This record gives sequence, structure tokens and C-alpha cells, in this order.
Amino acid sequence: AQKITQTQPGMFVQEKEAVTLDCTYDTSDPSYGLFWYKQPSSGEMIFLIYQGSYDQQNATEGRYSLNFQKARKSANLVISASQLGDSAMYFCAMREGGGYNQGGKLIFGQGTELSVKP
Amino acid sequence: NAGVTQTPKFRILKIGQSMTLQCTQDMNHNYMYWYRQDPGMGLKLIYYSVGAGITDKGEVPNGYNVSRSTTEDFPLRLELAAPSQTSVYFCASSYTRGTSGDTDTQYFGPGTRLTVL
Repeated sequence: AQKITQTQPGMFVQEKEAVTLDCTYDTSDPSYGLFWYKQPSSGEMIFLIYQGSYDQQNATEGRYSLNFQKARKSANLVISASQLGDSAMYFCAMREGGGYNQGGKLIFGQGTELSVKP
Repeated sequence: NAGVTQTPKFRILKIGQSMTLQCTQDMNHNYMYWYRQDPGMGLKLIYYSVGAGITDKGEVPNGYNVSRSTTEDFPLRLELAAPSQTSVYFCASSYTRGTSGDTDTQYFGPGTRLTVL
């Protein structure tokens, strides 16, 4: 059964340092996508980064990078040079398949609350 | 582009009342979704739609109904509200051509905070 696990309920990081948020997944589908979303205290869900199961390189988007280790079924989010505005809840999510009529449905982990200290 | 908009932002219902949560997207996305987020939890899929006239159940569909008469709108109907439906409801949309390599990235609305007393 498809599953997303985030084992860190809360994390602290010093401003300007890098931080890694863990995510492991389980699926039997060879085609899948992995997403990270940020949810600040205001509540909206903000898309950060995407990694496809067939992508050869790790995804990067500005200060965000995804450490994709397919054999270990992990998709950790790395935030470099943390800023105070990075304090938020972060969710890892997985989409199985991707063909038409599969709906692109996402399964979410329980989230990691990141606090950036000045 | 306004993206995905949801109304209302907040609502308090009494047990047994009904209401419709509105969702509209202006990105011409073919897929739309409804999720709920309970306190301290991730999001769970309620219903989704792959196009106008086509809807299907997600993980937690009981107590809800949806319709999709246009590409832009995807309302969620709560019948006979119960305290267990107290949650934050998110609408999302994505675009896919149905080919491998599509990211199907979902873009979310701001959410509706619903309390059932």
C-alpha cells in the first residue's frame, strides 16, 4: 500500500544554516512523483519542489533541493541558508502513476514543523 | 490569474445543517481535488475530478458530495454536518496531458475553516 512517512514532528535550525527534512515512501508503482509543500501559519499550501521517479538528477529550486535516493525510497528536502520566513510546517506527498484518469491523487505525510532560530 | 479561490474562508455550522464549499480555478486545469486537513495531520483526499462531468471518490468521501459541471468550478457539498467534519478544507487543481513525465503539480486554494457545533 502506498504510504508516506515523515518521522520528525518538529525540527529547529539556526538562521543561515542548512536543514534536512526526512521523507520516506512506499509504493509498488514504478512511476510516481514526490512533492514537498510548505504550510506557513497562515494556512495556505505552497508548492516547493517536485521529483519524478524516472528523473536522473535530484531536483533543485533555489534554496530547496531534494535528496532522492530511490533504492532507499527516501526523498528528503534540503533547505540551504535557512531564513526566519522558512518557519512553517512542511509536507511530503506522493502521486502514484500519472497517466490520464489516474487523477494525480496525492498521499500526504503528517508533516514536520520547522522552526528557524535567529 | 487568481489561481484557485475558495469561499467562504470560515464557517460555523450546527449539527445537521448543510452547506456548499465553493472552489473556482482560472488556470484551465483539467483536474480538481478536495482535501481535508484535521488538526496536526496531513491532508486527506475527499473527492477528485479529471474533467467536467467526471468525479470519483478519494480516501474519505463519506458525508460529502461533489459535482463538476464546468472546468472552472468544483463545489463540495456537506449534507447533515457532523462534528467529525470539523476541519480545514482545501481545493486544488492540476493540469495533465496524460503522458509520462507530467508532474501533475497541484496548486491549492487558501482553504475553508469549518467548525461543526
